[in-house]
Amino acid sequence: AQSVTQLDSQVPVFEEAPVELRCNYSSSVSVYLFWYVQYPNQGLQLLLKYLSGSTLVKGINGFEAEFNKSQTSFHLRKPSVHISDTAEYFCAVRNYNDYKLSFGAGTTVTVRA
Amino acid sequence: GAGVSQTPSNKVTEKGKYVELRCDPISGHTALYWYRQSLGQGPEFLIYFQGTGAADDSGLPNDRFFAVRPEGSVSTLKIQRTERGDSAVYLCASSLERGGGVETQYFGPGTRLLVL
Repeated sequence: AQSVTQLDSQVPVFEEAPVELRCNYSSSVSVYLFWYVQYPNQGLQLLLKYLSGSTLVKGINGFEAEFNKSQTSFHLRKPSVHISDTAEYFCAVRNYNDYKLSFGAGTTVTVRA
Repeated sequence: GAGVSQTPSNKVTEKGKYVELRCDPISGHTALYWYRQSLGQGPEFLIYFQGTGAADDSGLPNDRFFAVRPEGSVSTLKIQRTERGDSAVYLCASSLERGGGVETQYFGPGTRLLVL
């Protein structure tokens, strides 16, 4: 079984400041890694995913994440946030030989002017 | 194109009642998933369909929960004898699983179930 820990439940940040959301996972097998975003009153939307290859993954809306196998981490970053980035962000993993996603508890990002 | 849709968007019921939640996946998507999201938590897997069959129902919490996908498209999640602890947002996702790849799961907006 695998588990996902998102280390920060709430992250307040000022507009145009950088943000980093931390995600650590544990699994006995190799995994694929994902970040999803949930805007208010909307469904989950995929930001980016790591499958293999380069450990730095670029996603939509200027987000990127870096896979670190030795630290079993997949932290999400954006160099300059906008008010519209206010949302809840979920890290998720999926085993190589499975289809279901296991999610962390989420990080709420609130961007203030 | 149209995304995953779920109906109703909100459902209020009384303890002990039966409810059905519906999911319309993206057209052509062979895989369909149900997840449950409790307040302050991330989504938790319930069941996965590949076509008409339930390929993995290991996440269903007990035998009060059941899901069907009779024609390989629309799915219904059925909850019998609802309990207050069943209150949550029920999410549906679909993907185009062609085997050998890692397809994106596209999520619907969810059905918010409140059991009084």
